[in-house]
Amino acid sequence: AQSVTQPDIHITVSEGASLELRCNYSYGATPYLFWYVQSPGQGLQLLLKYFSGDTLVQGIKGFEAEFKRSQSSFNLRKPSVHWSDAAEYFCAVGLFGNEKLTFGTGTRLTIIP
Amino acid sequence: DAGVIQSPRHEVTEMGQEVTLRCKPISGHDYLFWYRQTMMRGLELLIYFNNNVPIDDSGMPEDRFSAKMPNASFSTLKIQPSEPRDSAVYFCASRYGNTIYFGEGSWLTVV
Repeated sequence: AQSVTQPDIHITVSEGASLELRCNYSYGATPYLFWYVQSPGQGLQLLLKYFSGDTLVQGIKGFEAEFKRSQSSFNLRKPSVHWSDAAEYFCAVGLFGNEKLTFGTGTRLTIIP
Repeated sequence: DAGVIQSPRHEVTEMGQEVTLRCKPISGHDYLFWYRQTMMRGLELLIYFNNNVPIDDSGMPEDRFSAKMPNASFSTLKIQPSEPRDSAVYFCASRYGNTIYFGEGSWLTVV
């Protein structure tokens, strides 16, 4: 069965430090991949997406993610976090021709001064 | 574009009452999804439509839940009768191509 795993439930990072959020998937075929961010009391906002081509994708707010087929991973990175990045981050995976997205359980990011 | 618009943003209702959540998808999007988010179960897909036609409602938890999409610009999710365990955030989302865009959500509390 297809699945998405975000191993880290909660991560705390100092403001200005680098960030990496992990996402692993288990699918029979090459999926398309997303990262969404949810600020408190808000909906999910699309950060970036990967369909094909260059495995390093750039998103909004200075985020990037790299698709690594050999590791079945799509980790989200940011070189220097800001206090406003504190939120919940969701990785989502889908298959071409399948309308459904499978979401990970999310990683809550806390930023400390 | 204004994005996916949901109403109400917040609702508190008493157990047994009918609840209707509304959604206006982004114009031109051909898929519409209803998701539910809870602490225990995360994000769950309830139902989705393609060109106003329900395609998969296997995620709808019980017969108390129903959803309609009478036209391309409007959908409703109804819970009748509501129960405390229905308390959650309900998201509507619409899709064009392979990207799904979410609304701000409807925060439902059933007391």
